[in-house]
Amino acid sequence: QQQVKQSPQSLIVQKGGISIINCAYENTAFDYFPWYQQFPGKGPALLIAIRPDVSEKKEGRFTISFNKSAKQFSLHIMDSQPGDSATYFCAARVDSWGKLQFGAGTQVVVTP
Amino acid sequence: DGGITQSPKYLFRKEGQNVTLSCEQNLNHDAMYWYRQDPGQGLRLIYYSQIVNDFQKGDIAEGYSVSREKKESFPLTVTSAQKNPTAFYLCASSLSGEDTEAFFGQGTRLTVV
Repeated sequence: QQQVKQSPQSLIVQKGGISIINCAYENTAFDYFPWYQQFPGKGPALLIAIRPDVSEKKEGRFTISFNKSAKQFSLHIMDSQPGDSATYFCAARVDSWGKLQFGAGTQVVVTP
Repeated sequence: DGGITQSPKYLFRKEGQNVTLSCEQNLNHDAMYWYRQDPGQGLRLIYYSQIVNDFQKGDIAEGYSVSREKKESFPLTVTSAQKNPTAFYLCASSLSGEDTEAFFGQGTRLTVV
């Protein structure tokens, strides 16, 4: 059973466009929601993260929107660039030690 | 410089053999994790350890074993009991606390031949 559901599985966006990835969860005990970016053959790297008491967090072209009542959160990539082509994972922290539950991932392709 | 080192990058195993994947970190993190990554399934937790000489099963521990004799090291053994071991294996570590970030190694790709 997947505790964090992520969609879409893949998306293609033109350079300069907006990429939107959505995640939903059930466990209200999750207390920290990071997004990871992974390039082929590499380990994931933290992109941006948010706590459930914040509705939005922006870092450069990347924005997380968080809806606590709906138990949903999303990643927006503004002005998408070819270098953003990667797989993106949402995650939710299970405990204070950092154990994470991951979504299934979204492969993003940005066309020139 | 600090980080997590996984070795080898590629590993080939014959059916019926046990193999051990190495994970070393010099970040002074207490917690370490092993995840398995398969296409379309995200990362699934195999084992994790929060202190030396203690570790817990994750969601898919069957066919795997670990040890944590040193804070810096958390090796994973893929045993012959693991029916479908071909996958990309990722090791991670983290500190405890509010702003915990899990740092990942570069992964080991295991292929059964």
